[in-house]
Amino acid sequence: DGGITQSPKYLFRKEGQNVTLSCEQNLNHDAMYWYRQDPGQGLRLIYYSQIVNDFQKGDIAEGYSVSREKKESFPLTVTSAQKNPTAFYLCASSNPGDRAKAFFGQGTRLTVV
Amino acid sequence: LAKTTQPISMDSYEGQEVNITCSHNNIATNDYITWYQQFPSQGPRFIIQGYKTKVTNEVASLFIPADRKSSTLSLPRVSLSDTAVYYCLVWGYGNKLVFGAGTILRVKS
Repeated sequence: DGGITQSPKYLFRKEGQNVTLSCEQNLNHDAMYWYRQDPGQGLRLIYYSQIVNDFQKGDIAEGYSVSREKKESFPLTVTSAQKNPTAFYLCASSNPGDRAKAFFGQGTRLTVV
Repeated sequence: LAKTTQPISMDSYEGQEVNITCSHNNIATNDYITWYQQFPSQGPRFIIQGYKTKVTNEVASLFIPADRKSSTLSLPRVSLSDTAVYYCLVWGYGNKLVFGAGTILRVKS
């Protein structure tokens, strides 16, 4: 089945540790996105990539890093510089030809203790 | 990027038609209007997209007036399972996908 997969679904980390969230898609989409969602809030854009080996900061990029070495993969690293990393993280992908029709993964719930 | 404004929340009863209006006063000529639905602890799901006039699919209808400064998502005969957050986005080619706060729709029995 074609789709977008995030792993793991739940992640626990100690404060001060870096952690990497995985996002893989087999939809052959050019664009990929990372969002953060806090309880009762909307989605906030962290980073996005329109093409391999290129990515841009979103609205809340501080404390996060990404890479886009392959079309299928767009991992997000939450660094120790992120002040409040506990949140629900969502990855999405889309094709410019499909305009704003994006497909989302199931999300990763990160808890920092 | 065009800013969107939606009501924070709406309540409805099963079987009723629900209309959620989104304001986007500074929409650009090449922008499309897109709506998403999100259930708790899940990623948003694409519902419908339009450029002007009316678009209908198996899930909803989208009404866009001639000036395109607003749009209305219409959900016919809602059920309890339509309780969700609904997001209105304005998107132009090459732009990033930016979500607002959305509208919480609560459907009651």
